[in-house]
Amino acid sequence: EAGVVQSPRYKIIEKKQPVAFWCNPISGHNTLYWYLQNLGQGPELLIRYENEEAVDDSQLPKDRFSAERLKGVDSTLKIQPAELGDSAVYLCASSVKPQGYEQYFGPGTRLTVT
Amino acid sequence: QQQVKQSPQSLIVQKGGISIINCAYENTAFDYFPWYQQFPGKGPALLIAIRPDVSEKKEGRFTISFNKSAKQFSLHIMDSQPGDSATYFCAASRNTGNQFYFGTGTSLTVIP
Repeated sequence: EAGVVQSPRYKIIEKKQPVAFWCNPISGHNTLYWYLQNLGQGPELLIRYENEEAVDDSQLPKDRFSAERLKGVDSTLKIQPAELGDSAVYLCASSVKPQGYEQYFGPGTRLTVT
Repeated sequence: QQQVKQSPQSLIVQKGGISIINCAYENTAFDYFPWYQQFPGKGPALLIAIRPDVSEKKEGRFTISFNKSAKQFSLHIMDSQPGDSATYFCAASRNTGNQFYFGTGTSLTVIP
């Protein structure tokens, strides 16, 4: 069974530039999560999808961050414009609902904003 | 406010020794407590998890001890091996398990 796929793995951009991350969850997983992981910290939830619906986006900085999961499968997270403080690892995870307890994480995208 | 507090921040253990990582929580609505293992450049991977209706769960060399009254849980790694060197995160979740709160992580180094 293929795991959660994320791309790109690494991205370096200048501040004020836009950037997008892509995630393909495990087949059949209805729930998709985007997390932010700062160096030396645990993951922090940005947004959670149930199929194509964003059911929890309370922690997503909506002035510059946006996300979509149009067909309830893969998802894109966008930052526009990026700031220096956005440098972090962006993790995608998925789980099967209703057994939503076990999350499977992708390898993450390491973003560096210069 | 940190929902789950984890300690220590880093841990060095001799090969064959026991590694112990502790976590504490406040919200009594939490009903699922997983531990994740993360290697550099990889995403966290579920290691072992427990629900509050049991006080201990063991899987191979990994054991979770859970103290509901103290609102604490810990991970014990028996016979620690150099391959166990990684960052470990505790987490807690409530209701349907769709909202997870992670600890700040413990960097474990097992010395040969």
